[in-house]
Amino acid sequence: AQSVTQLGSHVSVSEGALVLLRCNYSSSVPPYLFWYVQYPNQGLQLLLKYTSAATLVKGINGFEAEFKKSETSFHLTKPSAHMSDAAEYFCAVPNQAGTALIFGKGTTLSVSS
Amino acid sequence: EAGVTQFPSHSVIEKGQTVTLRCDPISGHDNLYWYRRVMGKEIKFLLHFVKESKQDESGMPNNRFLAERTGGTYSTLKVQPAELEDSGVYFCASSRSQGRRTEAFFGQGTRLTVV
Repeated sequence: AQSVTQLGSHVSVSEGALVLLRCNYSSSVPPYLFWYVQYPNQGLQLLLKYTSAATLVKGINGFEAEFKKSETSFHLTKPSAHMSDAAEYFCAVPNQAGTALIFGKGTTLSVSS
Repeated sequence: EAGVTQFPSHSVIEKGQTVTLRCDPISGHDNLYWYRRVMGKEIKFLLHFVKESKQDESGMPNNRFLAERTGGTYSTLKVQPAELEDSGVYFCASSRSQGRRTEAFFGQGTRLTVV
C-alpha cells in the first residue's frame, strides 16, 4: 500500500535560511511523488513532481526535491527562505490504481524576519 | 484558462441541514476528484469521476454524501443531513488524463462548518 509521512507538523526558519521539509514514502510499486503548497486563503498548487525521469527535481519558486530510493525519501528544500514561502506544504503519492492522491499530514512553514 | 472553481467558499449550517457544494473543473478535464480535510487530519480522497461516471468512490464516508456530475461538466457534492463531524475543507480537483503520474489541479476549497 502507498503512504507518505511528513516529519514535523511545523517548521520555523529565519528569512534567508535553508528550508528543509521532510517526506518519507512507502510504495508497493515504483513511486511517483508530488509536493503541493497551500498559501493562506488559496487552493493547493503543485510545487514539483517526481516521475522517475530525474532524481533531483526542480520546482517553482526556487524549491527542489531529491528522490532517494535507498532512504525512501523525497525531502523538499530551498536554499534561502523568503517571507512569501510561509504556507502549508503537502507531500503526496498516487494510490496503486492512479485514481487518487494519498497525502501526508502537511507541514506548516513559518518564516521570520 | 480558468482554474478549478468551487462554490461557496464558506458555508455554515446547522446539524441536520442539507448543504450542496459545487465544483467547476478546468474545461476539457474529464477527470474530477473530491477530497476532504477534517481539522488536524490529512487531506483524504472521497471520489473520482471520469466524465459523468463514478470511477472510484471508495473514500465516501457514508450514504449521507451524494456526488453527481451530470453531463460530465460541473459536479455537486451534497451532504444530507449534515453532522458535526462533516466540518472541514472540501477540495475539488481535475485532470485531463488519469494515472499515477498525472498532475491534478485543485480548487480553493469550500470550508464547511456544521454547528
